[in-house]
Amino acid sequence: GQQLNQSPQSMFIQEGEDVSMNCTSSSIFNTWLWYKQDPGEGPVLLIALYKAGELTSNGRLTAQFGITRKDSFLNISASIPSDVGIYFCAGQLLAGNEKLTFGTGTRLTIIP
Amino acid sequence: SQTIHQWPATLVQPVGSPLSLECTVEGTSNPNLYWYRQAAGRGLQLLFYSVGIGQISSEVPQNLSASRPQDRQFILSSKKLLLSDSGFYLCAWRIRGYGYTFGSGTRLTVV
Repeated sequence: GQQLNQSPQSMFIQEGEDVSMNCTSSSIFNTWLWYKQDPGEGPVLLIALYKAGELTSNGRLTAQFGITRKDSFLNISASIPSDVGIYFCAGQLLAGNEKLTFGTGTRLTIIP
Repeated sequence: SQTIHQWPATLVQPVGSPLSLECTVEGTSNPNLYWYRQAAGRGLQLLFYSVGIGQISSEVPQNLSASRPQDRQFILSSKKLLLSDSGFYLCAWRIRGYGYTFGSGTRLTVV
């Protein structure tokens, strides 16, 4: 089935550093979403992107819908301890298709 | 506002026993409902989704089944659990045009 390639798989950074992660696909997506999951909890929606080229911010988070519609990027500026967790991208292939395809996740760890 | 309830939070069941996990949504009508499973340290695997009462789409052939007896109720079941059914089960709802909202999950351990 359709898969999203998410990278990196894990990141070890120091507090205050900026973070970048991305998702790529061989197929064109209609919608891109970014989620964060804390341990033992369900994923929480961070940012939703609906148009190619769209750049959207949510506080220190910025995400972009790639112009080719086959990729998306998430950046976190000036990381803080509560940013620790697993970040997932998710994409909707077609308008009206009710399923989302999720990436494999990026685990973010902040080194004290 | 919309809320999603999922229970129990944790469950330990012996191999061969039945399973019933329930998910309910409040504050919305006719949502799409989803069951996902997440293995430890892994991504989310879609198991079932439903676009309406009694309508179930299965994504992965397996030991599990789903039912939607009411508009805002989604149930995940098994007649006989396997060790491989262990994992973190997540229910989610969606209104067309918006992203999924997930429940807090059920950690199932089959022993």
